[in-house]
Amino acid sequence: TQLLEQSPQFLSIQEGENLTVYCNSSSVFSSLQWYRQEPGEGPVLLVTVVTGGEVKKLKRLTFQFGDARKDSSLHITAAQPGDTGLYLCAGAYNQGGKLIFGQGTELSVKP
Amino acid sequence: GAGVSQSPSNKVTEKGKDVELRCDPISGHTALYWYRQRLGQGLEFLIYFQGNSAPDKSGLPSDRFSAERTGESVSTLTIQRTQQEDSAVYLCASSYSNNQPQHFGDGTRLSIL
Repeated sequence: TQLLEQSPQFLSIQEGENLTVYCNSSSVFSSLQWYRQEPGEGPVLLVTVVTGGEVKKLKRLTFQFGDARKDSSLHITAAQPGDTGLYLCAGAYNQGGKLIFGQGTELSVKP
Repeated sequence: GAGVSQSPSNKVTEKGKDVELRCDPISGHTALYWYRQRLGQGLEFLIYFQGNSAPDKSGLPSDRFSAERTGESVSTLTIQRTQQEDSAVYLCASSYSNNQPQHFGDGTRLSIL
């Protein structure tokens, strides 16, 4: 079974705090993607990481791919209410591109 | 618009009825994917099309589920004899080719009474 464990499932923090979301698997992925989803909408791609050890930054968001390409993290610095949403990690294998999704992290940032 | 379009956006039907969900991918995208998302959960892969062929149907939950794609464009997902456990948001995504970033539609929210 191809599984991607995402944690925490829920996160409620105050504006200005930092947070980290984790995705872990026993499988090796060819790439890993992070999405953000708003209610009533489809997921929107934030970043794709491909190389083991890779770090990508998107403003206050930092994404890291583990050296063995089995795990990834998303770190948000100085969270803002606009960061509120469902964050999803998804791993891809070289098998046509289907994505294996984590369970999602529901983030709430209170002003 | 230029994004992935899905219709209907909402569908309410009685248990036992058949439903058909439609996906219009981004023009020129050869790969098309269907996923299912239960409330508050991540997405479950259903089926993948490359052109009009479906090399991976491994996520279809039962033989009540089928999908087709024509003209390397529009795809329809059909659920026969719907059950209450079929209630979910059905999301479609397309990409330029396989292993390229996937762009999602806003989904069809299916409710089975």
